[in-house]
Amino acid sequence: DGGITQSPKYLFRKEGQNVTLSCEQNLNHDAMYWYRQDPGQGLRLIYYSQIVNDFQKGDIAEGYSVSREKKESFPLTVTSAQKNPTAFYLCASSILYTGELFFGEGSRLTVL
Amino acid sequence: ELKVEQNPLFLSMQEGKNYTIYCNYSTTSDRLYWYRQDPGKSLESLFVLLSNGAVKQEGRLMASLDTKARLSTLHITAAVHDLSATYFCAAQGRFGAGTRLTVKP
Repeated sequence: DGGITQSPKYLFRKEGQNVTLSCEQNLNHDAMYWYRQDPGQGLRLIYYSQIVNDFQKGDIAEGYSVSREKKESFPLTVTSAQKNPTAFYLCASSILYTGELFFGEGSRLTVL
Repeated sequence: ELKVEQNPLFLSMQEGKNYTIYCNYSTTSDRLYWYRQDPGKSLESLFVLLSNGAVKQEGRLMASLDTKARLSTLHITAAVHDLSATYFCAAQGRFGAGTRLTVKP
């Protein structure tokens, strides 16, 4: 089955800890994205990558970092510098940048 | 950077009624997407609009795109309860705030 897999689905962390969210796709898509969604809100773009070994900041990149060493993988690290990290994080991919997005099931991060 | 605005943000409808959700975007884009999100879930793609004048229909939903006006619409015909969800439009990776639709019997 082709798709996007995010893990973990739920994650709890203490303040001051970094945490890495995994995103893997087997759709052979070139572009990958990370979004943040707060309760009752829309999606805000954190980072995106159009090609392996290259990525760009989105609208709310502060306190986050990413890597794109393989086409299939685009992990997101939420660092301790992110002041309000509790949110629902969604990974997506598309054949080309600005194309139709296919989403993973999301990772729900709670900071205790 | 492109900005996307949707209205209304909240929509409560009676079953059987029609309504339209509007999506405006700030800079040129020749493609526009609509997505649906159920509570606590991820997003699924509804419509892909790739050119000016594009119209797509699926069941009771119809989407259209006017690139000159930078406007897309999502029209709901004879709403049913199963359509209750949040609907997002998006362009160039940017999303509107979403329209939370509730269909009441």
